[in-house]
Amino acid sequence: GAVVSQHPSWVICKSGTSVKIECRSLDFQATTMFWYRQFPKQSLMLMATSNEGSKATYEQGVEKDKFLINHASLTLSTLTVTSAHPEDSSFYICSARGLAGPGSTDTQYFGPGTRLTVL
Amino acid sequence: SQQGEEDPQALSIQEGENATMNCSYKTSINNLQWYRQNSGRGLVHLILIRSNEREKHSGRLRVTLDTSKKSSSLLITASRAADTASYFCASYTGGFKTIFGAGTRLFVKA
Repeated sequence: GAVVSQHPSWVICKSGTSVKIECRSLDFQATTMFWYRQFPKQSLMLMATSNEGSKATYEQGVEKDKFLINHASLTLSTLTVTSAHPEDSSFYICSARGLAGPGSTDTQYFGPGTRLTVL
Repeated sequence: SQQGEEDPQALSIQEGENATMNCSYKTSINNLQWYRQNSGRGLVHLILIRSNEREKHSGRLRVTLDTSKKSSSLLITASRAADTASYFCASYTGGFKTIFGAGTRLFVKA
């Protein structure tokens, strides 16, 4: 089946620094990628939707200047948490919806997640 | 809130018993999916049911969908300790978004 990877799987950073998380579709082309955030013992909250080559669409309440999303190619999207603070500590999960082939348009494939801890 | 609701929020049962989780969503959907997530881990896709389907089976899993009530249920039969996890429904809307329910935390006691 289609595989989505994330890097890094976990990261610890100091308050005020920026952190970049990569999301890659390994064996299919993803026209649309999604970024979710999950706090402990809570569900996944959709942060933004990105289409290759265009600006991301952010959900209400998500600061676009703080969470920079770049979908530069059909296999890579990045989420940069700028000037991170302890309240940004969370589990960030990306997912990808692909073109016909291994990436069915009916199913989003999810990455394994990145755990961010801001000290 | 973008999320749908799930109940119960937490469920504790004995191994061998059946577990039923319910999910409600807010808008019209193209399909609805159920996922499992072990603590601190990624999502595992369990089953997808399309909007024109009413019931679907996969092994010990049975999913129903009632679009008139905007609700779905997941039944796990003959539960095992390894089924202990959080379970989420996720509705795929016409806006090409997948929105997750609040989730049910299932604990199966051996």
